[in-house]
Amino acid sequence: DAGVTQSPTHLIKTRGQHVTLRCSPISGHKSVSWYQQVLGQGPQFIFQYYEKEERGRGNFPDRFSARQFPNYSSELNVNALLLGDSALYLCASSLAAGVEQPQHFGDGTRLSIL
Amino acid sequence: QKEVEQDPGPLSVPEGAIVSLNCTYSNSAFQYFMWYRQYSRKGPELLMYTYSSGNKEDGRFTAQVDKSSKYISLFIRDSQPSDSATYLCAQAGSYQLTFGKGTKLSVIP
Repeated sequence: DAGVTQSPTHLIKTRGQHVTLRCSPISGHKSVSWYQQVLGQGPQFIFQYYEKEERGRGNFPDRFSARQFPNYSSELNVNALLLGDSALYLCASSLAAGVEQPQHFGDGTRLSIL
Repeated sequence: QKEVEQDPGPLSVPEGAIVSLNCTYSNSAFQYFMWYRQYSRKGPELLMYTYSSGNKEDGRFTAQVDKSSKYISLFIRDSQPSDSATYLCAQAGSYQLTFGKGTKLSVIP
């Protein structure tokens, strides 16, 4: 079975631009979460979506937004890119929202801001 | 949610050694813990998933949670070069995982 798939794998943008990252969850999983991982650090939580509703938001500015579609895939949008947004963006899926649900990660999108 | 602390290493061991990786957590409200393995340029892979106190074993891997000291551990027996990776501990909160910084492990043949 396919795992979590993310696209694109790599992306180079310049400051001030906008970016859209995409994620397809494991088949049957209805919850998608987004994380940012800076080099040498653990992933930091950005958003969780379940059944197309935002269930949680981390400590990120309003430049970050996301949505989930009826097929449970998801997009993460980042506006007005800053140099500090350079990171690996990870998507994780789980069967449902809830603390007991293990989250499974994709290989991420590596975003570089010039 | 409060922090999860993890010694970033790096940790280098000879092949066949027993490896001990450790984290501490501060928020006692949440009792689900995970260990992820992350190879270079890959996403985190779920290794172990535990609830509350006690041990859980899966092959060469054992995860341990000590609620009294707020300590979580991962033991790797008979370590192999293929175990060389970054290991991340995580605590599950209401809707998010809180990760440690990760420990980079190298197993030398």
